[in-house]
Amino acid sequence: KAGVTQTPRYLIKTRGQQVTLSCSPISGHRSVSWYQQTPGQGLQFLFEYFSETQRNKGNFPGRFSGRQFSNSRSEMNVSTLELGDSALYLCASSLGTGNTIYFGEGSWLTVV
Amino acid sequence: AQSVTQLGSHVPVSEGALVLLRCNYSSSVPPYLFWYVQYPNQGLQLLLKYTSAATLVKGINGFEAEFKKSETSFHLTKPSAHMSDAAEYFCAVSIGGSQGNLIFGKGTKLSVKP
Repeated sequence: KAGVTQTPRYLIKTRGQQVTLSCSPISGHRSVSWYQQTPGQGLQFLFEYFSETQRNKGNFPGRFSGRQFSNSRSEMNVSTLELGDSALYLCASSLGTGNTIYFGEGSWLTVV
Repeated sequence: AQSVTQLGSHVPVSEGALVLLRCNYSSSVPPYLFWYVQYPNQGLQLLLKYTSAATLVKGINGFEAEFKKSETSFHLTKPSAHMSDAAEYFCAVSIGGSQGNLIFGKGTKLSVKP
């Protein structure tokens, strides 16, 4: 059974650009959540989707957005990139509330 | 509001020694608590979770943790460290039982000396 797949694994962007990261959850999982990991702030929750609806949102500016498609795949977008957006972005999926979540290996974003 | 504090950003141990990683939580409601491990350049892997059943929780790779409500603690232990245990460990609490919305501690890096 394939795990949570995130693409791309590594990318470099310039300040002011925008980026889209993709996440394919484990087959059958309808909940997808996103986290940002940085050395300074640690792991921070971005948002959670279930059946194409955003259920929870963390404390991030509106430049960070996401969506989930009918096949449960999810994308997150960051517009007007800043140097501080450089981070590992982790996606996680689960069957739903109360079930274990499984993390992907992450997408490393570097903003220069 | 929920929060998690991990004591010690770096814990060195010798191979074969006891591993003890400390985690204290703050929660206004009965918490769900988790320990995750992260190996270099990888995502997070669940070690164990507490969801209001038994207070002593056994996880993978010989790790276990005990939920102590009176101390608001959920410390992670392993009787004998192995070189392969070297990694970063994160304690987390969930909001409202939803595991899709976790609050993580800052992490503790475990190093194992031969």
